[in-house]
Amino acid sequence: GESVGLHLPTLSVQEGDNSIINCAYSNSASDYFIWYKQESGKGPQFIIDIRSNMDKRQGQRVTVLLNKTVKHLSLQIAATQPGDSAVYFCAENTSGGGTSYGKLTFGQGTILTVHP
Amino acid sequence: DVKVTQSSRYLVKRTGEKVFLECVQDMDHENMFWYRQDPGLGLRLIYFSYDVKMKEKGDIPEGYSVSREKKERFSLILESASTNQTSMYLCASSGRMFEQFFGPGTRLTVL
Repeated sequence: GESVGLHLPTLSVQEGDNSIINCAYSNSASDYFIWYKQESGKGPQFIIDIRSNMDKRQGQRVTVLLNKTVKHLSLQIAATQPGDSAVYFCAENTSGGGTSYGKLTFGQGTILTVHP
Repeated sequence: DVKVTQSSRYLVKRTGEKVFLECVQDMDHENMFWYRQDPGLGLRLIYFSYDVKMKEKGDIPEGYSVSREKKERFSLILESASTNQTSMYLCASSGRMFEQFFGPGTRLTVL
């Protein structure tokens, strides 16, 4: 079946730099995308989401970009801080209705390490 | 504050034992999910439920079953635990929106 994948499994940055985490998806019918952050010993936490009718969405220090032409999703973190160190997952939903409603397919994750 | 709780943070069981993992959400969500998380494999969906007493197989249901007798509670059952079921188990719930809220996870070790 189709799945979501990540280009880079690890990313190391210096504190204060901007970080970019990438994600490729293969299901052109996906219409909703979400980024999660998972800190060590915790469950994933919602960061930001975007629907397929949008190209960009901004939150606090984070921006998600969606390029449907090349099926690419990215998460940008501005002024990265040590507290941003975590595993980041992208996930997609293909709203087929019925019992598939609400299912997310997750990527493998990218480990972000922020050095002071 | 929304909350998904899981009955145990750490669990150690022996091969062949029957294992119950419990998950409770307080958000009145219709959908609930069980995932397992292994290094390099991300989150893989075991089972999900979109209503009380309703369940659907996910991507890796073999060796697992589930029970949803009440809306707020979703249980994952390992009928006969095996060492290859050693993993982190994550429960999540969602309502009418797609965002899933996750519990803290249960790290299960099967000896």
